[in-house]
Amino acid sequence: AQKITQTQPGMFVQEKEAVTLDCTYDTSDPSYGLFWYKQPSSGEMIFLIYQGSYDQQNATEGRYSLNFQKARKSANLVISASQLGDSAMYFCAITGANSKLTFGKGITLSVRP
Amino acid sequence: EADIYQTPRYLVIGTGKKITLECSQTMGHDKMYWYQQDPGMELHLIHYSYGVNSTEKGDLSSESTVSRIRTEHFPLTLESARPSHTSQYLCASSDSYRQGIIVDTQYFGPGTRLTVL
Repeated sequence: AQKITQTQPGMFVQEKEAVTLDCTYDTSDPSYGLFWYKQPSSGEMIFLIYQGSYDQQNATEGRYSLNFQKARKSANLVISASQLGDSAMYFCAITGANSKLTFGKGITLSVRP
Repeated sequence: EADIYQTPRYLVIGTGKKITLECSQTMGHDKMYWYQQDPGMELHLIHYSYGVNSTEKGDLSSESTVSRIRTEHFPLTLESARPSHTSQYLCASSDSYRQGIIVDTQYFGPGTRLTVL
């Protein structure tokens, strides 16, 4: 079984500052993938970034980077230079051998002007 | 990236009605998924398909049914809607390759917000 834990309460960040959203995971699969999705108030799920369990380097996609610490089973999302449009819910998810995604409960991020 | 379409975006309907939520994708992805999400909560997988004529139930039990007659189309049907079915329903599809590496990145449609009165 796979599990994602996101326990941070609602997060607040000042515009143009960086913010880290925490995610820890548990899995018995030797090979797995970690994902972050953004869900604005409009409801759609937007894929942000992917990290494979065997990737040697942390994934980066524009202002998003994933701080992957395999030994600690953590996959934190770092958003640099926050923008007002970053205000949304952020979900961490994991997939393994069965290709099914397991999501965490999400974190609400609010960017202050 | 995938283009995933869901209709309707919003649906308000009375108890006992039959409804079909439509989901189509134009990228030829073999794998498609349906998730149910209550406001502010995590997503739960209710159905998935790995190809034409292949459908499986997900981790969350659902009274809905799905079909996969064409690769691009994965509709979800509720034979008799009830207030407990009020939720957001998200459809997704996945490709298996990303930069030459096998990765099942799921891309989502805009969702259908269903309210059953």
